[in-house]
Amino acid sequence: KAGVTQTPRYLIKTRGQQVTLSCSPISGHRSVSWYQQTPGQGLQFLFEYFSETQRNKGNFPGRFSGRQFSNSRSEMNVSTLELGDSALYLCASSDGGTDTQYFGPGTRLTVL
Amino acid sequence: QKEVEQNSGPLSVPEGAIASLNCTYSDRGSQSFFWYRQYSGKSPELIMFIYSNGDKEDGRFTAQLNKASQYVSLLIRDSQPSDSATYLCAVNAAGNKLTFGGGTRVLVKP
Repeated sequence: KAGVTQTPRYLIKTRGQQVTLSCSPISGHRSVSWYQQTPGQGLQFLFEYFSETQRNKGNFPGRFSGRQFSNSRSEMNVSTLELGDSALYLCASSDGGTDTQYFGPGTRLTVL
Repeated sequence: QKEVEQNSGPLSVPEGAIASLNCTYSDRGSQSFFWYRQYSGKSPELIMFIYSNGDKEDGRFTAQLNKASQYVSLLIRDSQPSDSATYLCAVNAAGNKLTFGGGTRVLVKP
């Protein structure tokens, strides 16, 4: 089976812009979770989608949002980018029946 | 107090020796426990998961869980230079939301 894919792999934006990241889970997996990884805060949970519904949410401001499509692909959006949003954004998929999560390669976002 | 705590290291281990990594967690309701390996510049890769008290072995890796002590550990036997990485402990208390420790950097010296 192909693994989790994320696009784009690298992104450079300026403050105030918005960005959309995409994630395709492992075939047959219905749960997609998003995480932010920074050197200072480590890996932090953003939100989880299952069957097109947000099932869990972390402690991030409303500028961070996401959605999931009927084919389980997911997108996350960050509006009004801040310098502190520079991070590696990771998507993880699970089959929804267990909580074992497999990570994609990540999107490295740099905000200038 | 962080919810999941790990020693940041680096943990320096001679090649062929056993590396022992520890992780403590604060939420007694935690149900599932995971170890991920992350090479520099790469994404986390799942190594082990454990749900029940006791030991679970997979190749050179052994995960140990003690829910009463809120403690989970990872042993790497016959450590190889390719094991040099950051090891992340993750805990799932409810739903599908993993809480990660800060990671332990392991250096295996030839």
